[in-house]
Amino acid sequence: GGIITQTPKFLIGQEGQKLTLKCQQNFNHDTMYWYRQDSGKGLRLIYYSITENDLQKGDLSEGYDASREKKSSFSLTVTSAQKNEMAVFLCASSWDYEQYFGPGTRLTVL
Amino acid sequence: GDSVTQTEGLVTLTKGLPVMLNCTYQTTYSPFLFWYVQHLNEAPKLLLKSSTDNKRTEHQGFYATLHKSSSSFHLQKSSVQLSDSALYFCALSDWGYNQGKLIFGQGTKLSIKP
Repeated sequence: GGIITQTPKFLIGQEGQKLTLKCQQNFNHDTMYWYRQDSGKGLRLIYYSITENDLQKGDLSEGYDASREKKSSFSLTVTSAQKNEMAVFLCASSWDYEQYFGPGTRLTVL
Repeated sequence: GDSVTQTEGLVTLTKGLPVMLNCTYQTTYSPFLFWYVQHLNEAPKLLLKSSTDNKRTEHQGFYATLHKSSSSFHLQKSSVQLSDSALYFCALSDWGYNQGKLIFGQGTKLSIKP
């Protein structure tokens, strides 16, 4: 078995601030994903990466950057946090079309 | 483009009753369908998956059958429990066309009352 770790668990930022979220997986999966989930709602794909140093935009990539410098890690940057923004950011990795999710980072912008 | 539709946003039931959560999809490729369950403040977890037409798949008392003729993959359970209260997502993958991406429905919140 494996695990996906996301840091930090909670992130509080200020309007306009640049914020970075990190994700690590030890499944040795090739593909990794970042999703945004607003309270009680569906998952929207921000970025994904099919291999080290690859980046592909999802439907919600505007306002975000991503980085995949190692196979095991995938980072997401909120380039300019929006006031009153609240969401959970979920990282996932996949093998054979099945996705495994991390516990999430809960973002609050003051 | 590809899409997944879950028609119910919220389903409220009394413990012990049966449930069916609807999922229909649209794709021009060979579909692989999934149901994920997300309990409050937890990560989504895979509940069921199928790519085989007309074959029932089961896990933890839940079951679903992929029907390609009607583009459906409804989730059912014969007797719901309090612990089934959660958010349920239907998702579609297109056998590699979308590079393993999943297209998620909007989710159905299942709330079980005593």
